[in-house]
Amino acid sequence: EPEVTQTPSHQVTQMGQEVILRCVPISNHLYFYWYRQILGQKVEFLVSFYNNEISEKSEIFDDQFSVERPDGSNFTLKIRSTKLEDSAMYFCASSARQILAEAFFGQGTRLTVV
Amino acid sequence: SQELEQSPQSLIVQEGKNLTINCTSSKTLYGLYWYKQKYGEGLIFLMMLQKGGEEKSHEKITAKLDEKKQQSSLHITASQPSHAGIYLCGADAGNKLVFGAGTILRVKS
Repeated sequence: EPEVTQTPSHQVTQMGQEVILRCVPISNHLYFYWYRQILGQKVEFLVSFYNNEISEKSEIFDDQFSVERPDGSNFTLKIRSTKLEDSAMYFCASSARQILAEAFFGQGTRLTVV
Repeated sequence: SQELEQSPQSLIVQEGKNLTINCTSSKTLYGLYWYKQKYGEGLIFLMMLQKGGEEKSHEKITAKLDEKKQQSSLHITASQPSHAGIYLCGADAGNKLVFGAGTILRVKS
């Protein structure tokens, strides 16, 4: 069965450092998403991406965040200068069509900022 | 903005017992999604409901969307240890999902 792959599974970083979270969506998918889940809190939408541009972003997705599809297969989330409150599980999702029920979620990257 | 309230927050049931998880929305639901999450893992799509009164089943899990389309329930019949995990409801909020806080289900053998 096709799957969305995220790397690394766990990343620990110093506050103020830049991190890049990587996602390999399912190969024929065109719509990409990042969500995050702070421990004990709700899963929150960060950003959606289609046709090499951001379709929509939440208030959380400020100037410290950016997304990129650098090579046609990877989809990355960059946090420029991490803060303690960025510690969370980050989920990537992708879908072939703009139908949420068809979105596949990755296993997540647990980011710990110390 | 749309808010989803899930109840209960956590549930411990004896294997073989039935259980129900509820999800109430602050706004009319135009698509309600149920996911299962194991701790530290990704979200597994269970089912989606769109029409008021709609009911769907997958194995021993049944979900309903009420007629007024502001509440959904997830019912598990004869629970098994494999049902343990976190159940999340999500609402279609215009090409993105808004999630409830989740219900932690533990099944005792």
